[in-house]
Amino acid sequence: AQSVTQLDSHVSVSEGTPVLLRCNYSSSYSPSLFWYVQHPNKGLQLLLKYTSAATLVKGINGFEAEFKKSETSFHLTKPSAHMSDAAEYFCVVRGPGSARQLTFGSGTQLTVLP
Amino acid sequence: ETGVTQSPTHLIKTRGQQVTLRCSSQSGHNTVSWYQQALGQGPQFIFQYYREEENGRGNFPPRFSGLQFPNYSSELNVNALELDDSALYLCASSLVAGGVGDTQYFGPGTRLTVL
Repeated sequence: AQSVTQLDSHVSVSEGTPVLLRCNYSSSYSPSLFWYVQHPNKGLQLLLKYTSAATLVKGINGFEAEFKKSETSFHLTKPSAHMSDAAEYFCVVRGPGSARQLTFGSGTQLTVLP
Repeated sequence: ETGVTQSPTHLIKTRGQQVTLRCSSQSGHNTVSWYQQALGQGPQFIFQYYREEENGRGNFPPRFSGLQFPNYSSELNVNALELDDSALYLCASSLVAGGVGDTQYFGPGTRLTVL
């Protein structure tokens, strides 16, 4: 079975400083990995996805993530945080079955301080 | 291109009642998945429908059931509501192209409160 572990439940950064949200995965096959963001009272928005092409994946709003097989990690980064980045972030792995259902991590709440 | 829409936005029911939630897929998508997100947790997969047939199911009891219609809209039905069913219910649509399986796009969700 596949799973993801988000290593921090809360992360606080100051506006203009780098963001690092950590995610480790467990999978018996080559995984498809995603990062989704959820703003308060809104649905989930896809930030980026890795599907076994380039290991460094660029997403929307300046976010990127690097797939590291040796470390089983898929950390999300952004060089400079903006106030609008404050939200809940989910690391997600997609299953291999016919449904290819998504398995979500427990989430990381990002706070951006002025 | 229209996005995924869900109705209603909020719903309050009492224990033992039945509820139906609705989802309209993104234009051109033929697959819909439903997820339950309890407060403070990540979403959990309930089931998926592809071409009007259930195509996979998570660890949810049979009182959670669904339908997909020819226009690819979908319903989630929950019978005999329990207090623990209180959650945000998310619908996601995707275009399953061959064996690749495509990105799932989420609707804004329906907030269900069971009293």
